[in-house]
Amino acid sequence: ETGVTQSPTHLIKTRGQQVTLRCSSQSGHNTVSWYQQALGQGPQFIFQYYREEENGRGNFPPRFSGLQFPNYSSELNVNALELDDSALYRCTSNPGRGGEETQYFGPGTRLLVL
Amino acid sequence: RKEVEQDPGPFNVPEGATVAFNCTYSNSASQSFFWYRQDCRKEPKLLMSVYSSGNEDGRFTAQLNRASQYISLLIRDSKLSDSATYLCVVGHNDMRFGAGTRLTVKP
Repeated sequence: ETGVTQSPTHLIKTRGQQVTLRCSSQSGHNTVSWYQQALGQGPQFIFQYYREEENGRGNFPPRFSGLQFPNYSSELNVNALELDDSALYRCTSNPGRGGEETQYFGPGTRLLVL
Repeated sequence: RKEVEQDPGPFNVPEGATVAFNCTYSNSASQSFFWYRQDCRKEPKLLMSVYSSGNEDGRFTAQLNRASQYISLLIRDSKLSDSATYLCVVGHNDMRFGAGTRLTVKP
């Protein structure tokens, strides 16, 4: 077990809606990252937060946004959902600043956009 | 050009075979390098870190060539349980994953 939990496990939305995915990290893990994993692909980096501030972003549009809270939980928000947003969304956490540490993956939230 | 590129695979090999995976990365400032393993519908798990001097863990050997921005993973004496997707991961301030290479080891 990695100690990282995510909710919900599955979600169905329609195009144009908004969604919030949640992640809870281990205590003391100051960095949380979010990844999108489409079927048959590797995880694609969305963004990373360190101590509640965004400190890295991948090639995702601004409608993908996030928050990190002092209690080691975080959120991924996606506005104006598109069909291509259908994927597995995983968060990871680690104690350091992000690029040097083993990533502890959550089980993921599977999002289906209809 | 993708940030991290891997052999597209899939690789289908018999038990006992030796198989090698290759990976290249585009960010020359990258500082950390890993191989992760992902089983179907499971979260990726760290297989091994990769160091410039090369490192070995049992049947697994990883190599890094910073000048060529190239990483490799060699698996000797393949087991059925090695069947999985192998992800090349490169870190700078964050971690970027390759698309993965699927390995199937057959009896």
